[in-house]
Amino acid sequence: QVQLVQSGAEVKKPGASVKVSCKASGYTFTSHGFNWVRQAPGQGLEWMGWISGYNDNTKYPQKVQGRVTLTTHTSTSTAYMELRNLTSDDTAVYYCARDSGSSTHSDYWGQGTLVTVSS
Amino acid sequence: EIVLTQSPVTLSLSPGERATLSCRASQSVSNYLAWYQQKPGQAPRLLIYDASNRATGIPARFSGSGSGTDFTLTISSLEPEDFAVYYCQERNNWPRITFGQGTRLEIK
Repeated sequence: QVQLVQSGAEVKKPGASVKVSCKASGYTFTSHGFNWVRQAPGQGLEWMGWISGYNDNTKYPQKVQGRVTLTTHTSTSTAYMELRNLTSDDTAVYYCARDSGSSTHSDYWGQGTLVTVSS
Repeated sequence: EIVLTQSPVTLSLSPGERATLSCRASQSVSNYLAWYQQKPGQAPRLLIYDASNRATGIPARFSGSGSGTDFTLTISSLEPEDFAVYYCQERNNWPRITFGQGTRLEIK
């Protein structure tokens, strides 16, 4: 069965960087892209970017462009999200989600990783 | 940039009642509209994709309809486990994604 298992919670200071991992299993890694989505406490869902599963193509929303980098490591079936220059506004649960075959939606989600930014 | 507006913000109903949730797009998204359910402390779960297709394992009481700018998620007869937050999501400009702000379905 398809599973996405994310790395554990992180606490970072303002200005630092964080890198969250998402290990995929149960399917051919290169056949699907990944979306990253975050959710601030008590808030809705916000798209953080997309990465192809086979050629490292990426797309980011303007809001975080320049601060976020998505990568994949095919040999370990793992996707990564790095966010730099953290502020308290980046405190959120970060989710990885697998792109569906038709790429119109995300069909499987990781369990989420809480990133807390605090001095 | 496409904006998705969900209504109502909160919907209070009793088990057994019918729930109707709305999602309106600021411009046409064709049928590239999905619905997710999220319970506290959990990741979102895909319910409906491409406006009207139920995802694997989703009960038949969940249905989606609409195209263009107006979409509806209907839960025909609410079960206790259906009380949650529901989000719509569009992907008309792949790979960009936009989410609605969510509708909280609460027990009356």
